[in-house]
Amino acid sequence: DVLLVESGGGVVQPGRSLRLSCVTYGFNFGGHGISWVRQAPGKGLEWVGVIRSESYGATADFAASVKGRITISRDDSKGIAYLEMNALKVEDTGVYYCTRVWNSWFDPWGQGTLVTVSS
Amino acid sequence: EIVMTQSPGTLSLSPGERATLSCRSSQTVSRSNLAWYQQKPGQTPRLLIYAASNRATGIPDRFSGSGSGTDFTLTINRLEPEDFAVYYCLQYGQYGNSREFIFGPGTKVDVK
Repeated sequence: DVLLVESGGGVVQPGRSLRLSCVTYGFNFGGHGISWVRQAPGKGLEWVGVIRSESYGATADFAASVKGRITISRDDSKGIAYLEMNALKVEDTGVYYCTRVWNSWFDPWGQGTLVTVSS
Repeated sequence: EIVMTQSPGTLSLSPGERATLSCRSSQTVSRSNLAWYQQKPGQTPRLLIYAASNRATGIPDRFSGSGSGTDFTLTINRLEPEDFAVYYCLQYGQYGNSREFIFGPGTKVDVK
């Protein structure tokens, strides 16, 4: 079965950094992009960023709301994608999902990891 | 700035009724770059429709997608109790120098 498992969430103070991991199973990781999506408590879905496969140069794009503060990387040998966020703000609080990119949609999704930015 | 809207914000219906959900973009979207998701409380989003009108694996045929250009529709025929949830549209496109994914704000379908 295709599975994505996020980890690395927790409580972090404003201004600090955090790295989330997305471990994948059951598919050809190197052949797919991986995207990160977040959801603030009680709010809708917000796309954060994407890293494409090596076939597309492993290029990354980011939402304007986080551009300059995040890095997305991938380790194809391990089937893991990473999201690093710097200068965290209270409004970065939420559940962070990683998801496999199929053309221009996302499927499936991981269960998410909760990031709480609070002093 | 690209703006995605979904209407209505909340749709109150009874089981067995038809739900019609709208997704509108401020810029033209390729049909291949429009998808729909369902999310129930405490659960991960589930892909329903991709490329505007294609049902994802395992999705019942009471769900259908249509539309083009800037206006897209998700229709749920004969609502089942498990269909009461929040529905999001997702678009992908290149706008200026950036390539972005954008979710709509969602439509909540609740029990009347």
